[in-house]
Amino acid sequence: DQQVKQNSPSLSVQEGRISILNCDYTNSMFDYFLWYKKYPAEGPTFLISISSIKDKNEDGRFTVFLNKSAKHLSLHIVPSQPGDSAVYFCAASDLLNRDDKIIFGKGTRLHILP
Amino acid sequence: DVKVTQSSRYLVKRTGEKVFLECVQDMDHENMFWYRQDPGLGLRLIYFSYDVKMKEKGDIPEGYSVSREKKERFSLILESASTNQTSMYLCASRISTVVNQPQHFGDGTRLSIL
Repeated sequence: DQQVKQNSPSLSVQEGRISILNCDYTNSMFDYFLWYKKYPAEGPTFLISISSIKDKNEDGRFTVFLNKSAKHLSLHIVPSQPGDSAVYFCAASDLLNRDDKIIFGKGTRLHILP
Repeated sequence: DVKVTQSSRYLVKRTGEKVFLECVQDMDHENMFWYRQDPGLGLRLIYFSYDVKMKEKGDIPEGYSVSREKKERFSLILESASTNQTSMYLCASRISTVVNQPQHFGDGTRLSIL
């Protein structure tokens, strides 16, 4: 049973436009959420995170929004650039749970079109 | 910057062999993790370790074991390699479970079992 779901396997966006990647989760105990970016043949790199006490966190072109009541978060990239083409993983963890596993979604492949 | 180093980028082994994948981190992180990444399945946690000599099973531990004799090093062992263990293996480390911090990943080992 997937606790973190990324329902879009892929997404294509025109360069310069906004990219919106979505993620849903089922465990209401999750209190920390992350986005990672992965290029082929490389490990994932941390992009941005948000704690459950916030509903928005911004870092340059990247903004993550958290809607706890809907158990939904999204990553906005504005403006989209060619180097943003990659696989994006949403992840979540429950810090209070001693197991502290970070649960990953299956990823969304973002294609930035010229 | 955190550096997580995986000993091999590419590895080819034969069915039945005992395979060792090594991972070293240089930031005195307490937690270390092994994942495998397969198309359409995202990142799946194999094993993780909170500290030296400690290990916990992840979601797919069957066919694997781990060793953490020193804080900086976390080894993944395939006891008797099988073709269904052909995959991209990713090691990650994290400072601790006490604070909300992301995991940092190595570049991965692409393992082929013939």
